[in-house]
Amino acid sequence: RKEVEQDPGPFNVPEGATVAFNCTYSNSASQSFFWYRQDCRKEPKLLMSVYSSGNEDGRFTAQLNRASQYISLLIRDSKLSDSATYLCVVNKYRDDKIIFGKGTRLHILP
Amino acid sequence: DTGVSQNPRHKITKRGQNVTFRCDPISEHNRLYWYRQTLGQGPEFLTYFQNEAQLEKSRLLSDRFSAERPKGSFSTLEIQRTEQGDSAMYLCASSLVVSNTEAFFGQGTRLTVV
Repeated sequence: RKEVEQDPGPFNVPEGATVAFNCTYSNSASQSFFWYRQDCRKEPKLLMSVYSSGNEDGRFTAQLNRASQYISLLIRDSKLSDSATYLCVVNKYRDDKIIFGKGTRLHILP
Repeated sequence: DTGVSQNPRHKITKRGQNVTFRCDPISEHNRLYWYRQTLGQGPEFLTYFQNEAQLEKSRLLSDRFSAERPKGSFSTLEIQRTEQGDSAMYLCASSLVVSNTEAFFGQGTRLTVV
């Protein structure tokens, strides 16, 4: 089983729709979780951290389910500018490397 | 500009040549990562440092690859005897080792081996 797995997509959704991404991780000792966004031919940038209690930032909501070892990202009222690749990121804590999923490509259709 | 800086941004080299890339992390960051990314894939872990110590090197990395961070500041990634399969974007990231801290990426070095 890969350390971090994501649905590769692409997800093609109409503008204004709600889209959800899931990501599973294999190491139960993982403690830090993030969603990064990567635009075409650009470097990844942090979208949001994922906290145990779940967190929301405007149209974006991140959830963590430790029991099932997955994290999710929900985008509401999607905009054309949300088109990008969304990367799930996991690391154990302090002493371990940061591992990326392969990313899920999202296309928002006008 | 206080972000992560990578040089060069682009490198075209002939197969069999050696190349070296440089990464300057955010100044107070003690953790530095190297990743490789090919089209349609997420960043693939290569190696990382805490200060000047190299903590881990990916098993996927052949002996042709070597990385250093001699003074715990900038880092170099060298690829010897390049092969066409080495063509990729090489990304450097840095972070501060505290709880739940993000990694910041440089813009990457795009390597093309011809």
